Amino acid sequence: DGGITQSPKYLFRKEGQNVTLSCEQNLNHDAMYWYRQDPGQGLRLIYYSQIVNDFQKGDIAEGYSVSREKKESFPLTVTSAQKNPTAFYLCASSQQGSNYGYTFGSGTRLTVV
Amino acid sequence: KQEVTQIPAALSVPEGENLVLNCSFTDSAIYNLQWFRQDPGKGLTSLLLIQSSQREQTSGRLNASLDKSSGRSTLYIAASQPGDSATYLCAVTGIKAAGNKLTFGGGTRVLVKP
Repeated sequence: DGGITQSPKYLFRKEGQNVTLSCEQNLNHDAMYWYRQDPGQGLRLIYYSQIVNDFQKGDIAEGYSVSREKKESFPLTVTSAQKNPTAFYLCASSQQGSNYGYTFGSGTRLTVV
Repeated sequence: KQEVTQIPAALSVPEGENLVLNCSFTDSAIYNLQWFRQDPGKGLTSLLLIQSSQREQTSGRLNASLDKSSGRSTLYIAASQPGDSATYLCAVTGIKAAGNKLTFGGGTRVLVKP
C-alpha cells in the first residue's frame, strides 16, 4: 500500500536538545511538506521541497531545519532555537503540478519535558 | 494573502441529519480546493479534491461544491452517522502561492449524536 510514514508517533524533547522527525513516502511524489498544527491556530507550513536536494522555507521556518537527499525522505529537525516546539507535526506529499491533491502522514506529537 | 475561513467552528447534529459545512477563501485565483477529515490525534485523510474548473465532486455520501467567483465551497454529508464525528478541514492551492502550498481553514468540529 502506498502512503506516507511518520515516526515516531510520540517524541519527548528536553530543553536544549535537537530532535529529528522522520517522514518517508512510497508514492513517488516529487513534492514534500512539513506542517505544524497547534490548537486554535490551524496548520502552518514549516518547510517544503519540490525536488531532491532543494527545499524552501515556509511561513514558520525559524528553529527548524530539513534535508532532501532522497526523493522518498524528508526529515525535519527541531533545533534548540525553536522556543515553543510542543505541537503536532504533519508531513505531506504531492505530485508535481497543480492538478494533484496532497497525501498526509499520521503525524508526530512532540512534547517538551 | 490568501485567507481561508470555516464557519461554524463546531457543529452538533442528531444522527440521520444532513451535514452542511462551509468554507470561504479570499483570493479566487486557485488551482484547486481539497476537503480533509481529521480524527483526534490523527493525520489528515483526503475526502475530495475539486479542480478550479469543476463545480462539484461526489464520493458516496459526500458532495462538495465550488463557486470560485464568490470564493466559497460547501461540503455536504448526507444522512450523517456517529462515525462522521471528526474535524473537517478545507484547504486551497493558490496560483500565487510558491510551491503549490496549501492554505488551510481553521476547521469545523462535527459531533453526530446517536
